[in-house]
Order: sequence, then structure tokens, then C-alpha cells
Amino acid sequence: QQQVRQSPQSLTVWEGETAILNCSYEDSTFNYFPWYQQFPGEGPALLISISSVSDKKEDGRFTIFFNKREKKLSLHITDSQPGDSATYFCAASFYQGGRALIFGTGTTVSVSP
Amino acid sequence: GPKVLQIPSHQIIDMGQMVTLNCDPVSNHLYFYWYKQILGQQMEFLVNFYNGKVMEKSKLFKDQFSVERPDGSYFTLKIQPTALEDSAVYFCASSFPGLGQDTQYFGPGTRLLVL
Repeated sequence: QQQVRQSPQSLTVWEGETAILNCSYEDSTFNYFPWYQQFPGEGPALLISISSVSDKKEDGRFTIFFNKREKKLSLHITDSQPGDSATYFCAASFYQGGRALIFGTGTTVSVSP
Repeated sequence: GPKVLQIPSHQIIDMGQMVTLNCDPVSNHLYFYWYKQILGQQMEFLVNFYNGKVMEKSKLFKDQFSVERPDGSYFTLKIQPTALEDSAVYFCASSFPGLGQDTQYFGPGTRLLVL
């Protein structure tokens, strides 16, 4: 099975709050996990990624927490801003040049001012 | 960041016709991909391409689909003939594998409507 699941489907937070997005996967061979941000009418853009050798990756207000044993990840967006309102996709792959990304179903985040 | 371009941005065609979607990948990238996204749903992998050959393809990549990149020009996805269920947004991506990562850069998509 190569499924990647995300929850919740949608999330609304107030400006300044922390949004927490969850992701889980089934295939234990996956070792590369990028998160993509997509705005309406645009293609997805890489936000942050983590490999399975790490349990945490931080980039500014965005942090990935990774639990290899449970096959779960989460993306934390701290100090959420209205400009963060977008759909976030968790993806998974076995890192080897040119491999397919398996995308999750996405979480749509709305940040209210 | 690196830009992937896609032409056209929108295409409307009648069922049974042929359509070619064009992708201009990042200039030094080696791997090329097509993904399909039906409105409101997740992105699904179709095919990837390296050194002039298909590397892997999903079950969504039907016999009516083909890809090529003649002489370093556009990376194209051709659908012949088209079916109603081919209506979707098609995203092209490209990558240049680095140490421990293989960031795929996506284009803005071509919105295909088959009538």
C-alpha cells in the first residue's frame, strides 16, 4: 500500500495561533517527506521537507515532527499569518533520483485576522 | 526559485480529439514528471521520465497517454484519444537530485476540459 493520509481536511485558526497538520503513511520504504503549499490556481510549491533519519526539521515558522515508528508526521505553523491560508499537501517518496511523490489528500488552512 | 512553465494554461477539447500539453522544465534538471489533479482532490502521479525514457508510470497512465522530450525541447504529455475522465489539471514537475533530497519543482498547471 502506498497511501498517504492527512488530517484534518480543513482547519481554521486565528492570526498568531499555531496550526497543526497531521500526516501518516503506510509504506515503510518511504524515507523522504516533503510538504507542499498550494494556493488556488497555482502549482504546489515546496515548503519544507524531512528525511527519515531526522525526527525534527525547522524552517522559520514551519516545523516538521517525524515519528518513524508510528509512521506519522506533523507540520506545525507557528504565529500563523493570513498569507499562510492555503492547502498543504504532505507527500512521501523513497529517495532515489526521480522517484514519484505520493501525495496526501491535503489540509486547507484558513487564517483569520 | 526555479520556474517550470506550462503551455497552455487552459484547454477545452471535444472527447476523442488529441491534445498535447507542453512543459518547459528548469534548464539543468534531469528528471521530469506529470501529475494529475482532479478539482479538490490530491495530486496523483502519472509518469516520470529520464534520459529519454519513461522510468515508471502509474495505473492512471493509460495506453492513450504518451510522453516525450525531443532534443531538449518541451517535455510533452499527449493524450490520444481523449476521454471525459481526462478532465483535470495536469501539473508538470522537474528535479535535479541533490544530496539526500530530490526537490520537485512544479509548474502552474494546464486545466484540461474534455467535453
